[in-house]
Amino acid sequence: DGGITQSPKYLFRKEGQNVTLSCEQNLNHDAMYWYRQDPGQGLRLIYYSQIVNDFQKGDIAEGYSVSREKKESFPLTVTSAQKNPTAFYLCASSLGPGLGEQYFGPGTRLTVT
Amino acid sequence: AQKITQTQPGMFVQEKEAVTLDCTYDTSDPSYGLFWYKQPSSGEMIFLIYQGSYDQQNATEGRYSLNFQKARKSANLVISASQLGDSAMYFCAMRVANAGGTSYGKLTFGQGTILTVHP
Repeated sequence: DGGITQSPKYLFRKEGQNVTLSCEQNLNHDAMYWYRQDPGQGLRLIYYSQIVNDFQKGDIAEGYSVSREKKESFPLTVTSAQKNPTAFYLCASSLGPGLGEQYFGPGTRLTVT
Repeated sequence: AQKITQTQPGMFVQEKEAVTLDCTYDTSDPSYGLFWYKQPSSGEMIFLIYQGSYDQQNATEGRYSLNFQKARKSANLVISASQLGDSAMYFCAMRVANAGGTSYGKLTFGQGTILTVHP
């Protein structure tokens, strides 16, 4: 089955620790995105990648980092510099940057205490 | 800058009735796309319907239709014959081309509307 997987579904970390969220897609999509969602809010773009080995900052990139070494994978690291990391994180992909709709993964709910 | 406004924090509808979820947008870019997504309590975002700014006809997908009024900059979602499974959060989103004319696919989301379908 084609789709986007994110693991784990729930993640708990202590303050001051870096944590990496996984995102894998087998849709053969070029573009991938990371969004953050806070309770009762819409999604905000953290980082996006149009193609392998390339990525750009979104609207709220501070305290986050990404890599895109493979077409299928776009992991997000939440660093200790992110002041309010507790949130719901959604990964998405699309055929290309401006092509078609974005397909979303099931999300990872990160709680930092 | 682009902006999406959803003014209805919550909506209630009786099962089998139709409901309209409001969305207004703001952009100076002539080329853009409008999307509606559904987010059930599980959290996953489910794509429902798309309308391009140059599309002449309103988009329809099964029980979903998009009432696109370009002059008013509105893109309301109409759900016909509501079902209990339609209860969820609904987001309107917009994608525009950037100043250089090459869209990088960024979606700007509204705050969402929680729809509750009563039996």
